[in-house]
Amino acid sequence: GDSVTQMEGPVTLSEEAFLTINCTYTATGYPSLFWYVQYPGEGLQLLLKATKADDKGSNKGFEATYRKETTSFHLEKGSVQVSDSAVYFCALSENRSTDKLIFGTGTRLQVFP
Amino acid sequence: GAGVSQTPSNKVTEKGKYVELRCDPISGHTALYWYRQSLGQGPEFLIYFQGTGAADDSGLPNDRFFAVRPEGSVSTLKIQRTERGDSAVYLCASSSGLSNTEAFFGQGTRLTVV
Repeated sequence: GDSVTQMEGPVTLSEEAFLTINCTYTATGYPSLFWYVQYPGEGLQLLLKATKADDKGSNKGFEATYRKETTSFHLEKGSVQVSDSAVYFCALSENRSTDKLIFGTGTRLQVFP
Repeated sequence: GAGVSQTPSNKVTEKGKYVELRCDPISGHTALYWYRQSLGQGPEFLIYFQGTGAADDSGLPNDRFFAVRPEGSVSTLKIQRTERGDSAVYLCASSSGLSNTEAFFGQGTRLTVV
């Protein structure tokens, strides 16, 4: 079945460092891909998405490109801030009639001043 | 309300008891989802409603789990004969029901079975 694999955390960075969180997926068709973020004490929020190959999703300085050839959707940010500390979840949705999401296990990011 | 509301935020129950978890979706959202998130894991899909009907309940782990949405708005997830393995955060999400639109999540109900 469909699945998402993302790098284990925690990822610990200093402020202004470059961030990459790897995500790869397995799907039988052509899924939409998402990154969700969960800040401490808050619910899951959509960070960005891409619906087809070569699309780039971007938001709040974060970017991810849908790579069909490598089945990947890696999350990147050029300069992280302390406020980016959160848990990041990669997810896919393949069922167009339900849009149900399949999530990875999450990667905790800790950014220190 | 402005967002998806879930009550209670925390629930502790004894093994074998029955529990109900409530979700108030964003007003006007026709699609509603329940997910379960165990410690250290990502959310796992349980059930999807479009309006009043459960269009996909393939994620419900067994027949102790049941969910309803009688008027197409508020939903209740019901768990019978709770087991310690049911301990998790139960998340609700809603969306407009149009394809590929954003799902908005509540903050979840943390269920602990002792």
